[in-house]
Amino acid sequence: ETGVTQTPRHLVMGMTNKKSLKCEQHLGHNAMYWYKQSAKKPLELMFVYSLEERVENNSVPSRFSPECPNSSHLFLHLHTLQPEDSALYLCASSQDWGNSAGELFFGEGSRLTVL
Amino acid sequence: GDSVTQMEGPVTLSEEAFLTINCTYTATGYPSLFWYVQYPGEGLQLLLKATKADDKGSNKGFEATYRKETTSFHLEKGSVQVSDSAVYFCALNSGGYQKVTFGTGTKLQVIP
Repeated sequence: ETGVTQTPRHLVMGMTNKKSLKCEQHLGHNAMYWYKQSAKKPLELMFVYSLEERVENNSVPSRFSPECPNSSHLFLHLHTLQPEDSALYLCASSQDWGNSAGELFFGEGSRLTVL
Repeated sequence: GDSVTQMEGPVTLSEEAFLTINCTYTATGYPSLFWYVQYPGEGLQLLLKATKADDKGSNKGFEATYRKETTSFHLEKGSVQVSDSAVYFCALNSGGYQKVTFGTGTKLQVIP
């Protein structure tokens, strides 16, 4: 496989459930990201990891918990979510953290619906 | 803070029409500018980029020129195809933090 792979592609969960989103990149990149994409809003950066260390957390509610066990894998653990958390969650990677000209490589996203 | 403003969509064009999607930005310093495209059911992918003033990015017939004096990075294509139907995102990165700021996206629909 190549590129950035996200699973599951679709997830429906109740507000009391616990689930996780998984992202894997096969590009040898050092930085990974979680973005939230909601209709008619700019992409919202949620978390950034560089070399497995979190370097950015944009005031995301604690019901979202990221985990980066190594530079190729990134998880987003979900618990007690709200209906307004329904969105497309995009994972991305880049070669390095700190290169303003660098390109982001995105996965296809995980479509989350919270009932 | 940084911001990106894109024209509201959706934009509907006939095949072979000329396309312009406007993008203006506010940023500190000298940002790099990007256009990303999202095809239905897929993630975003880089379409083109420019890293300094007056640079022109181009790819797949699309072009955009980094205009520092007007803080703009408008996307153009001379003749669109049905396969260009997608959502287009303008974005910038102004610092050493790989912190990309995106616009809200402009949906393009090309009809035969």
